[in-house]
Amino acid sequence: QKEVEQDPGPLSVPEGAIVSLNCTYSNSAFQYFMWYRQYSRKGPELLMYTYSSGNKEDGRFTAQVDKSSKYISLFIRDSQPSDSATYLCAMSLYSSASKIIFGSGTRLSIRP
Amino acid sequence: DGGITQSPKYLFRKEGQNVTLSCEQNLNHDAMYWYRQDPGQGLRLIYYSQIVNDFQKGDIAEGYSVSREKKESFPLTVTSAQKNPTAFYLCASSIVGQGAKNIQYFGAGTRLSVL
Repeated sequence: QKEVEQDPGPLSVPEGAIVSLNCTYSNSAFQYFMWYRQYSRKGPELLMYTYSSGNKEDGRFTAQVDKSSKYISLFIRDSQPSDSATYLCAMSLYSSASKIIFGSGTRLSIRP
Repeated sequence: DGGITQSPKYLFRKEGQNVTLSCEQNLNHDAMYWYRQDPGQGLRLIYYSQIVNDFQKGDIAEGYSVSREKKESFPLTVTSAQKNPTAFYLCASSIVGQGAKNIQYFGAGTRLSVL
């Protein structure tokens, strides 16, 4: 069993829809949770960074962490074609240069 | 412009050949990392370094080697012992220190193929 599980998709939604991306994990000790966005043939870029349980909002993006269920989510409101990318969840035990475990990524396509 | 530069963008390797991927950063980060990305498998850690002249193996170090002679540079050599080297290779860096967030910044990647 992988430490972090993520549905690979592809997920295709119409422009303007709310998108929900999810990951589950097995190690209850994870404390730091991240979402990265990766455009085709590019390196990942950080979208959201959260510590422990709760919600964090940044513009059209909301990250949600439920440690009791070992489940994290990324919501994208008013989705745009420019949001079409692969989204990788990631998590680590500690802050500052500790090992990060990445999900395999979900490929998202927003139809105009 | 601060960032991480990986070169070349595309690289081809012949059988039995060693090839070296370059990674340079001007973010003044202490830690640097190399990942391999295969379709459907996410990022897998090859090697990482938290300080000059020191590095540790990641999860899939066999067939790879690194050096860290300068803070800004962390080249990766894919040796002939790596039998399946075709993949997208990503270099990253991060700040080290108390209170620093564990955020890794990535380069644009090098796509390695076998001829």
